[in-house]
Amino acid sequence: EPEVTQTPSHQVTQMGQEVILRCVPISNHLYFYWYRQILGQKVEFLVSFYNNEISEKSEIFDDQFSVERPDGSNFTLKIRSTKLEDSAMYFCASSAIRATGELFFGEGSRLTVL
Amino acid sequence: GQQLNQSPQSMFIQEGEDVSMNCTSSSIFNTWLWYKQDPGEGPVLLIALYKAGELTSNGRLTAQFGITRKDSFLNISASIPSDVGIYFCAVSPLPQTSYDKVIFGPGTSLSVIP
Repeated sequence: EPEVTQTPSHQVTQMGQEVILRCVPISNHLYFYWYRQILGQKVEFLVSFYNNEISEKSEIFDDQFSVERPDGSNFTLKIRSTKLEDSAMYFCASSAIRATGELFFGEGSRLTVL
Repeated sequence: GQQLNQSPQSMFIQEGEDVSMNCTSSSIFNTWLWYKQDPGEGPVLLIALYKAGELTSNGRLTAQFGITRKDSFLNISASIPSDVGIYFCAVSPLPQTSYDKVIFGPGTSLSVIP
């Protein structure tokens, strides 16, 4: 069964360092997303991406964040200068059809900022 | 902003019991979804509801989209140990405001005692 894959599964970094989280969405999906889940809290929308551009972003997704689809398969989230409060699980998701809410999530990348 | 409320926050039940949880909002939504998150994994879609009043089943799971479009419930019959996890309701906002952002509720944590 096709799945969304994410790397790394866990990354520990020092405050102020840049981090890149990588995702390979399901191959025939066109819509890509990043969500964040701080430990024990709800899943929060960060950004959606379609046709090589951001289609929507939340207030969390400030200038420190960026997304890119550098080739035909990878979808990346970059945090330029990490802060302690960026520590969370970051989930990539993809969908085949827009506006259905039917998202396929990866297993997540746990980011720990020290 | 748009916010979902889920109840109960957590449940401890005996294996074999039925479970009922619900989700409410002060706003109207056109799509209600239920996701489950197992420990250490990403959310997985269980049921999607697209029509007010719709009742949909997926195995032992049954969910309904409320007539007012402001609520939904999820029932699990004859619970088993693998039902353990966090159940999130989610909504997809109205097309006039957003196509891409899926909003998640705070979750109901389910524990099943064998």
